[in-house]
Amino acid sequence: NAGVTQTPKFQVLKTGQSMTLQCAQDMNHEYMSWYRQDPGMGLRLIHYSVGAGITDQGEVPNGYNVSRSTTEDFPLRLLSAAPSQTSVYFCATSSGNSGSDTQYFGPGTRLTVL
Amino acid sequence: SQELEQSPQSLIVQEGKNLTINCTSSKTLYGLYWYKQKYGEGLIFLMMLQKGGEEKSHEKITAKLDEKKQQSSLHITASQPSHAGIYLCGAYRPTFNFGNEKLTFGTGTRLTIIP
Repeated sequence: NAGVTQTPKFQVLKTGQSMTLQCAQDMNHEYMSWYRQDPGMGLRLIHYSVGAGITDQGEVPNGYNVSRSTTEDFPLRLLSAAPSQTSVYFCATSSGNSGSDTQYFGPGTRLTVL
Repeated sequence: SQELEQSPQSLIVQEGKNLTINCTSSKTLYGLYWYKQKYGEGLIFLMMLQKGGEEKSHEKITAKLDEKKQQSSLHITASQPSHAGIYLCGAYRPTFNFGNEKLTFGTGTRLTIIP
């Protein structure tokens, strides 16, 4: 049981490049989300999904796209990378999205945009 | 300003000493999570508190929720090097979509244990 996996672990991009951060889970959780973590800002929600085929915006969605074609995968796409997107990105899953559902986090992807 | 304020921001403690980390919310708390993070790793779930006055313990870590004060504290007894890391509190915020609460986090407390 791998839990929540993220690839790559590290990535360096040039401004304007695009890329996809991968997130996969084998816990059969319906709810998946993407966060970014920045110094002094804590974790901020980018996008989330309550099930396959359903996605919605979080607190800081601009510059990112998501899709959820399967329960297991929830990729995050950067369309045109900007230095402001330099951050550590975490994917999280839970069985539901109510106040009693624990979220489990992946190990993170550290992204640098030059 | 942050909805969840953690104090202190960083803490250096000698091994074997006790310590407390606080998490204060500017809004009503409906549930409070504590996570631990080590460099290069994801967040590890420690415990969840849902009711005012609730107290939970796991090994040498105890967390309490004071609903009236909108505050939670995390207490570590007889600290060990394995306790070092960043501790984050998280809380759910109800939205206009019932059952679609969002999890928000504090900025974290960096704990260093000195041998």
